[in-house]
Amino acid sequence: NAGVTQTPKFRVLKTGQSMTLLCAQDMNHEYMYWYRQDPGMGLRLIHYSVGEGTTAKGEVPDGYNVSRLKKQNFLLGLESAAPSQTSVYFCASSTPGQGTEAFFGQGTRLTVV
Amino acid sequence: RKEVEQDPGPFNVPEGATVAFNCTYSNSASQSFFWYRQDCRKEPKLLMSVYSSGNEDGRFTAQLNRASQYISLLIRDSKLSDSATYLCVVTLNTGGFKTIFGAGTRLFVKA
Repeated sequence: NAGVTQTPKFRVLKTGQSMTLLCAQDMNHEYMYWYRQDPGMGLRLIHYSVGEGTTAKGEVPDGYNVSRLKKQNFLLGLESAAPSQTSVYFCASSTPGQGTEAFFGQGTRLTVV
Repeated sequence: RKEVEQDPGPFNVPEGATVAFNCTYSNSASQSFFWYRQDCRKEPKLLMSVYSSGNEDGRFTAQLNRASQYISLLIRDSKLSDSATYLCVVTLNTGGFKTIFGAGTRLFVKA
């Protein structure tokens, strides 16, 4: 089973460039999330989606946009990359409910120079 | 104050040792609690859920203390393969979805 797949796995951007990170899940999960992980900060929620066609802001949404046009895909966009967006980005998915497990993709290491 | 706080460690223990981690949370509306494990440069994976009655899975025991707002993870008979970062995770329902990850506690088990 593929589970949650993120592309690309690594990327280096110049300041001001744009890019889109793709997350795909094959578990028919309703909920999908984008997190960023920085040293000493833990995982911080950027945006999330509770179903196809819906998105919502998380804890640190500024500088990012998302789209969930299909249930299995959740895209994270950076319109104008900044060095502060250098981080490891994780996508996750889960079924609805408080006590359910979140399954994570392998992460995307993004460096903005 | 962070909503979920953990001692970052690192905890350096010999094989066979027993080690315990604590995690405190600030929001009394927290409803679900988990421990995730994250290996170096890998994604987090669920280790175990934490229930009010406490729960055990092999060498791992998790406890929840709602009155003091902390959860704990006890690892007995540590193995080299237990070396990882352990993330405390709390979810709460405040009229909207919110899952909060702690920054993690690093564990190194040495031969």
